[in-house]
Amino acid sequence: AQRVTQPEKLLSVFKGAPVELKCNYSYSGSPELFWYVQYSRQRLQLLLRHISRESIKGFTADLNKGETSFHLKKPFAQEEDSAMYYCALSGFLSGGYNKLIFGAGTRLAVHP
Amino acid sequence: NAGVTQTPKFRVLKTGQSMTLLCAQDMNHEYMYWYRQDPGMGLRLIHYSVGEGTTAKGEVPDGYNVSRLKKQNFLLGLESAAPSQTSVYFCASSPGLYNEQFFGPGTRLTVL
Repeated sequence: AQRVTQPEKLLSVFKGAPVELKCNYSYSGSPELFWYVQYSRQRLQLLLRHISRESIKGFTADLNKGETSFHLKKPFAQEEDSAMYYCALSGFLSGGYNKLIFGAGTRLAVHP
Repeated sequence: NAGVTQTPKFRVLKTGQSMTLLCAQDMNHEYMYWYRQDPGMGLRLIHYSVGEGTTAKGEVPDGYNVSRLKKQNFLLGLESAAPSQTSVYFCASSPGLYNEQFFGPGTRLTVL
């Protein structure tokens, strides 16, 4: 079954500390993987996707097919990074159409 | 461009009442989606549409109906609301397969 697992509900760090938000997936095929972010009182928006291989707001994520993981990392957290982060998987699921499967989300709290 | 808009932003219903949530997008996207967001469960797909006049069931379709009579609009209906449908509902759209999904601001629905 297709599944996205984010094991941490809350990740609390101090400003300047490194951050790693974990994401593991289960999918029989080649998925497209995304990180979406939801800042307080804002709509959900795309942070980055693995196919673009770019760094957004200092965040990077590497797809590890062997470990089926797509962890989100940032070397130095900022207070404005505090938000809800969702890992999502897209692929040809039953029915053949693109669907996003979301993890449960991890709330990142960056303290001064 | 307004992007994806949702109407209403908030609503309180009594058990058994009906209502329709409206989603509109001005990006000429083919794909549209309805999700519900519940604490600890991330976003779950209710129904989706791959083009005008088409709809399909997602992960949690029971108790909901949808219609896509016009390409820019995607309606989500609750015929007989239940307390279990208390949630935040998000609409999203995307231009095609494996593309970024663009989300609306959400509708907070409470069923008493």
